[in-house]
Amino acid sequence: RKEVEQDPGPFNVPEGATVAFNCTYSNSASQSFFWYRQDCRKEPKLLMSVYSSGNEDGRFTAQLNRASQYISLLIRDSKLSDSATYLCVVRSGNTPLVFGKGTRLSVIA
Amino acid sequence: DARVTQTPRHKVTEMGQEVTMRCQPILGHNTVFWYRQTMMQGLELLAYFRNRAPLDDSGMPKDRFSAEMPDATLATLKIQPSEPRDSAVYFCASGSTEDGNTEAFFGQGTRLTVV
Repeated sequence: RKEVEQDPGPFNVPEGATVAFNCTYSNSASQSFFWYRQDCRKEPKLLMSVYSSGNEDGRFTAQLNRASQYISLLIRDSKLSDSATYLCVVRSGNTPLVFGKGTRLSVIA
Repeated sequence: DARVTQTPRHKVTEMGQEVTMRCQPILGHNTVFWYRQTMMQGLELLAYFRNRAPLDDSGMPKDRFSAEMPDATLATLKIQPSEPRDSAVYFCASGSTEDGNTEAFFGQGTRLTVV
């Protein structure tokens, strides 16, 4: 079983739609959780950290469910500029980040 | 604006040739990571350094790959001899364990094609 699993998509949604991605992780000792965004032919960049209580940053909301070992990302009012691959990332202690393969999102006008 | 710098950005080489990729981490960061990204496997960790000491290179094929940090401002990843299956984008990332910030900042990557 892969350490971090995501639906690869693609998710094709119209502008203004709400879209949600889920990600599951296998290591119950994982302590830190993130969503990274990667544009085509670019490097991954941190989108947001995921906190136990859930957190929101503008149109983006991240949730963590430790009991079920999954993380979610909700994007409201999708923009064309949200089109990218979204990478779910977990870490245990000071170990390196472990990346999922990513979920591709295309927002269509 | 501090950033991780990787060179070269693109490299095309023939099978059997040596390839060296370089990375300059963000000044003050004490952790450096090498990742490889392919369509099939996604981002895979190859090597990890903290305070210039190699901590984990279990993801790296030892017979042909080597990673070093000659000093705090330079990390290198070498492939010798290169093979077509090494074609991928190689990312270097740096971070800091000193201030509790666990984010990894990525360079723009080296796109390697071995023919």
